Amino acid sequence: NAGVTQTPKFQVLKTGQSMTLQCAQDMNHEYMSWYRQDPGMGLRLIHYSVGAGITDQGEVPNGYNVSRSTTEDFPLRLLSAAPSQTSVYFCASRRANYGYTFGSGTRLTVV
Amino acid sequence: SQQGEEDPQALSIQEGENATMNCSYKTSINNLQWYRQNSGRGLVHLILIRSNEREKHSGRLRVTLDTSKKSSSLLITASRAADTASYFCATDEGYNFNKFYFGSGTKLNVKP
Repeated sequence: NAGVTQTPKFQVLKTGQSMTLQCAQDMNHEYMSWYRQDPGMGLRLIHYSVGAGITDQGEVPNGYNVSRSTTEDFPLRLLSAAPSQTSVYFCASRRANYGYTFGSGTRLTVV
Repeated sequence: SQQGEEDPQALSIQEGENATMNCSYKTSINNLQWYRQNSGRGLVHLILIRSNEREKHSGRLRVTLDTSKKSSSLLITASRAADTASYFCATDEGYNFNKFYFGSGTKLNVKP
């Protein structure tokens, strides 16, 4: 039982490049979310999903796309990377009325 | 947004002492959660308390919820050096229990 797996753990992008952060969970959780955490700050919600085929925006969705074609996978796409997107990205999943299980994060630097 | 605010931002105590941190939020909620984050790691879920509950315990952790004041507190009794971490509260939006917002956290340092 791996929990929530995020790949890659570290990534450096050049401004304007695109990439996909991968997130997979093996707990059959309905709900999945992406958060970003900037240094010394809390987490801000980017996008979330309540089940396969259903996604919605969080607080800071601009510049990011998501899709949820299966219960297990919830990839986050950066469309055109900007230095302001330098952050640590966390994927999390949960079932109804329970807390989140978080992945270990992807540390992204945009230069 | 609904983002909660923790207080204090930082707390330094001796091992064996109790640590109390507070969370305030803006709108009605369905439930409130507390998480711990060790430096450089992901968050770990500690406790979930529902809006119709006033108090919940888990080991050395005690969480209270006052919906009339829109606030919650997390008490860690008999702190240990291993409790050194940042602690975050997370709240939903009440009408939308699928979106959870996190505060900026309380950084707890427990000195041995």
